[in-house]
Amino acid sequence: GNSVTQMEGPVTLSEEAFLTINCTYTATGYPSLFWYVQYPGEGLQLLLKATKADDKGSNKGFEATYRKETTSFHLEKGSVQVSDSAVYFCALSDDKIIFGKGTRLHILP
Amino acid sequence: NAGVTQTPKFRILKIGQSMTLQCTQDMNHNYMYWYRQDPGMGLKLIYYSVGAGITDKGEVPNGYNVSRSTTEDFPLRLELAAPSQTSVYFCASSYGLAGANYNEQFFGPGTRLTVL
Repeated sequence: GNSVTQMEGPVTLSEEAFLTINCTYTATGYPSLFWYVQYPGEGLQLLLKATKADDKGSNKGFEATYRKETTSFHLEKGSVQVSDSAVYFCALSDDKIIFGKGTRLHILP
Repeated sequence: NAGVTQTPKFRILKIGQSMTLQCTQDMNHNYMYWYRQDPGMGLKLIYYSVGAGITDKGEVPNGYNVSRSTTEDFPLRLELAAPSQTSVYFCASSYGLAGANYNEQFFGPGTRLTVL
């Protein structure tokens, strides 16, 4: 069946560092891919999405490219801020949404 | 426009007690969902609803019940609370089926439940 695997956290970086959070997926069809973010004490919010191969989703300085050949959707940001500290979830959708386990990100000032 | 609201925010139950977690959305979404989030784990779907009067089981429905009498409300009922139900519960809604046609899910702030 479909599944999502993302790197385990926590990931700790200094402010202005480059961020990569890896996400790979297994799917039988052609799913859409998402990154959701969960700030402390809040529910999940959609951060970005990509609906077909080679699409790039972007929002708030974050980017992720749908790579069908490597079945990946890695999240990147060139310069992180303290306010980016949160838990990030990779997800795929085919007939239903499947979430990864989440990666906790700590940004140190 | 409040989006998805959940009550209560926190609750402690004793084993065997029952309670209802409330969820309301004001976006006129047809689809609503209940997830649980355990520490270090992703979200697991408990139940979902495609419209008023229609509900279906998700991945982990045992120990829970739901109803959907209106478009706005989707309460989750725990009849006999067990320690294994200690978790954070999220309600979500979407205009269409989440995932299909890129429909985005909107999440509530969550209910943190502890069963002792």
